[in-house]
Amino acid sequence: GDSVTQMEGPVTLSEEAFLTINCTYTATGYPSLFWYVQYPGEGLQLLLKATKADDKGSNKGFEATYRKETTSFHLEKGSVQVSDSAVYFCALRSSIAGNQFYFGTGTSLTVIP
Amino acid sequence: NAGVMQNPRHLVRRRGQEARLRCSPMKGHSHVYWYRQLPEEGLKFMVYLQKENIIDESGMPKERFSAEFPKEGPSILRIQQVVRGDSAAYFCASSGDLNTGSGGYTFGSGTRLTVV
Repeated sequence: GDSVTQMEGPVTLSEEAFLTINCTYTATGYPSLFWYVQYPGEGLQLLLKATKADDKGSNKGFEATYRKETTSFHLEKGSVQVSDSAVYFCALRSSIAGNQFYFGTGTSLTVIP
Repeated sequence: NAGVMQNPRHLVRRRGQEARLRCSPMKGHSHVYWYRQLPEEGLKFMVYLQKENIIDESGMPKERFSAEFPKEGPSILRIQQVVRGDSAAYFCASSGDLNTGSGGYTFGSGTRLTVV
């Protein structure tokens, strides 16, 4: 079935460092891909999305490109800030299974000053 | 424009009691989803509902768990005779028609259930 595998955490970076969080997926059809962010004590918030191959989603300095050939959707940011400390979830929405989303296990990011 | 409202934020129950978790979807959204997040784990799909209908309950445990989304009022996730293993964060999400909207869910802040 459809699934998402993302990089194990936790990840600790210094402020202004480059961030990559890897995400790969398995899906039939043509899924849409998402990154969600969860700040401490809160629910998940949509960070960015891409709906077809080669699309690049971007928001708040974060980017991810939908790579069909490598079935990947890696999250990147050129210069992280302390306020980016959160848990990041990669997700796919199946094009076959209707409205169901499949989430990765989450990657915890801590940015230290 | 209020987002997805979940209450209570925190719920403590003794083993054997019932837990009722409420979710009011975002205005204009008619699709509701419940997810469970166990400590140190990702989100696990539980159930997908539209008004008065359960569309997909493939992630719901077969016993003790039930969900509803009545014509009027919030969606309710009910856990009967809770056990310690039910302790988790339960998140509700809502969406409009995913084929025409942003394509994503809007999540509530969750209910953190602790069974003592």
